[in-house]
Amino acid sequence: DIQMTQSPSSLSASVGDRVTITCRASQDISSFLAWYQQKPGKAPNLLIYTTSTLQSGVPSRFSGSGSGTEFTLTISSLQPEDVATYYCQKHNSAPWTFGQGTKVEI
Amino acid sequence: QVQLQESGPGLVKPSETLSLTCTVSGGSISSSNWWSWVRQPPGKGLEWIGEIYHSGSTNYNPSLKSRVTISVDKSKNQFSLELSSVTAADTAVYYCARDGLPGYQDYWGQGTLVTVSS
Repeated sequence: DIQMTQSPSSLSASVGDRVTITCRASQDISSFLAWYQQKPGKAPNLLIYTTSTLQSGVPSRFSGSGSGTEFTLTISSLQPEDVATYYCQKHNSAPWTFGQGTKVEI
Repeated sequence: QVQLQESGPGLVKPSETLSLTCTVSGGSISSSNWWSWVRQPPGKGLEWIGEIYHSGSTNYNPSLKSRVTISVDKSKNQFSLELSSVTAADTAVYYCARDGLPGYQDYWGQGTLVTVSS
């Protein structure tokens, strides 16, 4: 099965900073990569799918890029409400495997 | 707006079977979507368990396949999870979710904590 690896596992940044999270797949998954945000005690919330398509209602400061095996999630200007853990997920074929998560703090 | 709600026992004994049901409202389980179960052990990451289509077709995570059964009840707009021979390692928050096309989860239930303990 394809493994998904995120880096870093955690980061601390200031309000207004540009933040980048990387996700690597162990095999080519084309553009089938999704990103989720999870706040403590809450269900995950879909942010982006097929690498760069923003889910309805997601702020435009979130963006995604990449293809094949390397992908990035960028928060252009970090806001206090963005404190959360972020997960990538491959969605080219089952099993829909998640990365291990990146915790973002301020 | 599609809403999902998990229900079932919060405590299961080791070696027994964990059973949960997800009720879908605001949409039909017979739509062109698959429906998934995802779990999250306390303080850990997300693990996709499996999914079902309204026809009854299923896909399971190979790591859990031998112990998992997912079923659908179209008349009740519900789908269910059974996980057999549970151990403490199966203690987790269990989420049900709707799959987008393909494979990502665009609507989630609030999750339910299931603890495996005697």
